[in-house]
Amino acid sequence: GAVVSQHPSWVICKSGTSVKIECRSLDFQATTMFWYRQFPKQSLMLMATSNEGSKATYEQGVEKDKFLINHASLTLSTLTVTSAHPEDSSFYICSARDAGGSGEKLFFGSGTQLSVL
Amino acid sequence: DAKTTQPTSMDCAEGRAANLPCNHSTISGNEYVYWYRQIHSQGPQYIIHGLKNNETNEMASLIITEDRKSSTLILPHATLRDTAVYYCIAVLLPSGSARQLTFGSGTQLTVLP
Repeated sequence: GAVVSQHPSWVICKSGTSVKIECRSLDFQATTMFWYRQFPKQSLMLMATSNEGSKATYEQGVEKDKFLINHASLTLSTLTVTSAHPEDSSFYICSARDAGGSGEKLFFGSGTQLSVL
Repeated sequence: DAKTTQPTSMDCAEGRAANLPCNHSTISGNEYVYWYRQIHSQGPQYIIHGLKNNETNEMASLIITEDRKSSTLILPHATLRDTAVYYCIAVLLPSGSARQLTFGSGTQLTVLP
């Protein structure tokens, strides 16, 4: 099946620094990718929809200037957490739809555990 | 998307069938039922989906009631590695468009040795 690669798997950073998370579709082209966030013992919450070649669409309450999304190619979307603070510590997950498929499956990356000290 | 309701948790003995119910009483005629699972600290994994008919693949079977108001995911021979949170999601999926999935609380399935 289609594979979505997400890196890094985990990252620890100091408060105030920026962290970039990459999401790649390895064997298919993804015109749209989604970014989710998950806090401990909670479900996944959609943060934003990343569209190749255009601006991302953010969910209500998600700061677009803090969570920068770039989808410059059909196989890569990046999420940059700018000026990270401890409350940004969370599990971040991306997903992608195979543009060449029927759109019936979304594939997920393995997630990135971000810990901000 | 129609709201889905699942039990918070279930236990199952290893080797036995795990039957996970999902209620989606307000589902519309064009909404699919999807099942994903999430093993601890990993991204969700697609299991199966269906619209009206029962479906089976190498991982599981999906039984959808005739009125489509509920469904059951069946893992025929549960193993310890099937311990995970299972999400039942109803989503309208127009052909050719991407659609995000809205995750509920899911069911924590624990397979016991």
